Amino acid sequence: EAQVTQNPRYLITVTGKKLTVTCSQNMNHEYMSWYRQDPGLGLRQIYYSMNVEVTDKGDVPEGYKVSRKEKRNFPLILESPSPNQTSLYFCASSSRQGVEYFGPGTRLTVL
Amino acid sequence: GENVEQHPSTLSVQEGDSAVIKCTYSDSASNYFPWYKQELGKRPQLIIDIRSNVGEKKDQRIAVTLNKTAKHFSLHITETQPEDSAVYFCAASIHDTGFQKLVFGTGTRLLVSP
Repeated sequence: EAQVTQNPRYLITVTGKKLTVTCSQNMNHEYMSWYRQDPGLGLRQIYYSMNVEVTDKGDVPEGYKVSRKEKRNFPLILESPSPNQTSLYFCASSSRQGVEYFGPGTRLTVL
Repeated sequence: GENVEQHPSTLSVQEGDSAVIKCTYSDSASNYFPWYKQELGKRPQLIIDIRSNVGEKKDQRIAVTLNKTAKHFSLHITETQPEDSAVYFCAASIHDTGFQKLVFGTGTRLLVSP
């Protein structure tokens, strides 16, 4: 089954404690991205990757890091999380036709 | 960069009525306009998309229209059903051989009452 997976699905952490949200896709897509979803603000792109070792900032990259060492994986790293990063996070991969396939989401709470 | 505005933010209709959601975009180079549906607690899923070389696309009860001159596009849902209740997002991007930077609208919460 073609899919995008994310882990963990839920995470409660404290300010400053480094965390990583994993993302994996099995569709051999070259393009992957991370979004955060906040009430009233829609989906905002954090980072995207056009291929292995090629990443770039989206609209809200501050406080986040990414890496793309393998085509299927695109982890999101929060080196020092802060409460304003409490949000719902979606990983996505994109087909060549432009269709964005979203993962199930990770609900992050930073205390 | 691209900016997408979406209206209304909430829309309540009776079952069987039509619903229309409108979006405007700022970058005239944008050429791909998808619509996503997000049910409560679920991930966004593509329901229909349109490219700049056509003005209208239809899939059963849903249709999308695009006016490139005015830089706006709309989602039309006819004969609404309670299961159409969800948040709908429009988006715009410059799509080129797999690369794109989707910019989303802020969403419309559609409530269809039986």
